[in-house]
Amino acid sequence: QLQLQESGPGLVKPSETLSLTCTVSGGSISSSDYYWGWIRQPPGKGLEWIGSIYYSGRSYYNPSLTSRVTISVDTSKTQISLKLSSVTAADTAVYYCARHSWQQVSRENWFDPWGQGTLVTVSS
Amino acid sequence: DIQMTQSPSSLSASVGDRVTITCRASQTISNYLNWYQQRPGKAPKLLIYAASRLQSGVPSRFGGSGSGTDFTLTITSLQPEDFATYFCQQTYSNPWTFGQGTNVEIK
Repeated sequence: QLQLQESGPGLVKPSETLSLTCTVSGGSISSSDYYWGWIRQPPGKGLEWIGSIYYSGRSYYNPSLTSRVTISVDTSKTQISLKLSSVTAADTAVYYCARHSWQQVSRENWFDPWGQGTLVTVSS
Repeated sequence: DIQMTQSPSSLSASVGDRVTITCRASQTISNYLNWYQQRPGKAPKLLIYAASRLQSGVPSRFGGSGSGTDFTLTITSLQPEDFATYFCQQTYSNPWTFGQGTNVEIK
């Protein structure tokens, strides 16, 4: 059964870079059928897609974050990484990674399963 | 960005009730619409993808319909474990965006 686990610092200072890792187990990260995505959720609020990456490194980012976001993949470690620079309090959120299924022909796509999420607080 | 608007924002219902949640897109998104369930303190769980396709392992009391701009999630007989927040998501164009959520509470 595929499992995803986020890890990283729970506290980041304003203006610094948030760095998180998602470790995938129970399945291949190099499957041609899937991208791997990051989504965040500020406490008590809704969900925001951050970006998604293919095992080859091809990536898509939310335009509102693209100037500050880098997502990378390490297939040897079955890990996906997220870096978000110049953070502010508005970046405080639970960060989730998820498998992003993307059908080549129909372009239908969805996120499943999700990791349990990790809370990152931006504060001095 | 495509805006997704859910209604209602919250509802109270009893076990056994039929519940309907609506999601409206700010522009046509064909059938590129997913529904997720999120229980308190947990990660979202996929229920429905491509507007009407039931994800494997999801009970058949959950159903989705719609196309274009208007979509519906229906729970035919609400169960205790269904009290949660439900989100719609469009995957028609970047950025993929979510509705604000509908909180289903116990009456």
